[in-house]
Amino acid sequence: EPEVTQTPSHQVTQMGQEVILRCVPISNHLYFYWYRQILGQKVEFLVSFYNNEISEKSEIFDDQFSVERPDGSNFTLKIRSTKLEDSAMYFCASSGDGTAVGPQHFGDGTRLSIL
Amino acid sequence: KNEVEQSPQNLTAQEGEFITINCSYSVGISALHWLQQHPGGGIVSLFMLSSGKKKHGRLIATINIQEKHSSLHITASHPRDSAVYICAARYNTDKLIFGTGTRLQVFP
Repeated sequence: EPEVTQTPSHQVTQMGQEVILRCVPISNHLYFYWYRQILGQKVEFLVSFYNNEISEKSEIFDDQFSVERPDGSNFTLKIRSTKLEDSAMYFCASSGDGTAVGPQHFGDGTRLSIL
Repeated sequence: KNEVEQSPQNLTAQEGEFITINCSYSVGISALHWLQQHPGGGIVSLFMLSSGKKKHGRLIATINIQEKHSSLHITASHPRDSAVYICAARYNTDKLIFGTGTRLQVFP
């Protein structure tokens, strides 16, 4: 069964550094998402992306965050200048094969640790 | 405000027991998702439903639109069912709004 893959599985970065989290969504999906989960808290929506543009973003997704689909297969989340509070598990998801939005399929997540 | 509430927060069971996890939401959802999160953190989609009932193996999900309530049932529970079960609602956009999850432990 096709799956969403995320790399790296764990990223450790110094505060203030830029970090890029990478995702390869399911190949025929059209809708892409990033969510995050701070340790011990519930999963929170960050951003959705469709037709090469952001369709919705949350209050968390400020100017330090950006997303890109550079080559038709990868979907990346960039944090420009990381803060301690960015430490969390980041999940990529994809959905929608063109007939319906459908269920979202999640990757295994990238655990981001900011020191 | 669009929110999702789950109960119980924690649930322990003996192997073989019938499990029920509850989820309530605000009016106006377009779909309700049930997901499973393993100890390593990965999230697996179990069901997406907007009405009625769905079944997959020992898992059953139901939704009552009038009462704004959904349940996830596990029949003949097994230790390998131990995980966090999360309900998430889709309202008028594509994003999912997550509940806090129910941590289930099934003991042999």
